[in-house]
Amino acid sequence: SQQGEEDPQALSIQEGENATMNCSYKTSINNLQWYRQNSGRGLVHLILIRSNEREKHSGRLRVTLDTSKKSSSLLITASRAADTASYFCATDNTNAGKSTFGDGTTLTVKP
Amino acid sequence: EPEVTQTPSHQVTQMGQEVILRCVPISNHLYFYWYRQILGQKVEFLVSFYNNEISEKSEIFDDQFSVERPDGSNFTLKIRSTKLEDSAMYFCASSGDGLRGYTFGSGTRLTVV
Repeated sequence: SQQGEEDPQALSIQEGENATMNCSYKTSINNLQWYRQNSGRGLVHLILIRSNEREKHSGRLRVTLDTSKKSSSLLITASRAADTASYFCATDNTNAGKSTFGDGTTLTVKP
Repeated sequence: EPEVTQTPSHQVTQMGQEVILRCVPISNHLYFYWYRQILGQKVEFLVSFYNNEISEKSEIFDDQFSVERPDGSNFTLKIRSTKLEDSAMYFCASSGDGLRGYTFGSGTRLTVV
């Protein structure tokens, strides 16, 4: 697999449920970022987690990072229909913003 | 909330023509980036820019591409002679310190015909 691979490719849940998306990568990183993209729109930066951090929270979002397994997860709690979007992880091993993006997970939250 | 502004939102150009994509980063940000996303493909890094020079660039960013910060507010990406395969969504991003996160613009959809 390539750097920044999300799993699953697609996820469909009911409103109110939690959504968990995973990202695996191959090389060492300085930081990992999660983004949301609504169809045909721009990227919205959600959370950046540094390689020396294990967990970060922002509102209903929780990101974990396990550098020993080279993986990260994004948890969205109490999902809403408005959370429907594609979610991408991106890794940076340069600290120069040269981030490598994955293919993304398409999340559908049904009302 | 501060935004990164990109213009135009959609540009159609003839193959071989030069295009300039414009971005206004967040005013106190110091680090600037261009990414692109070909339809149905991954977002790809093009270039990062700090202190009036390129910090990093990808293999995609060949001699056809150039970036400039012509004044205190704009950050531009120029493609000298566009090819069909340059058709993509181009995203500008900026960061205050390059470490804690990036703000992306809404993108410019470039269509080369």
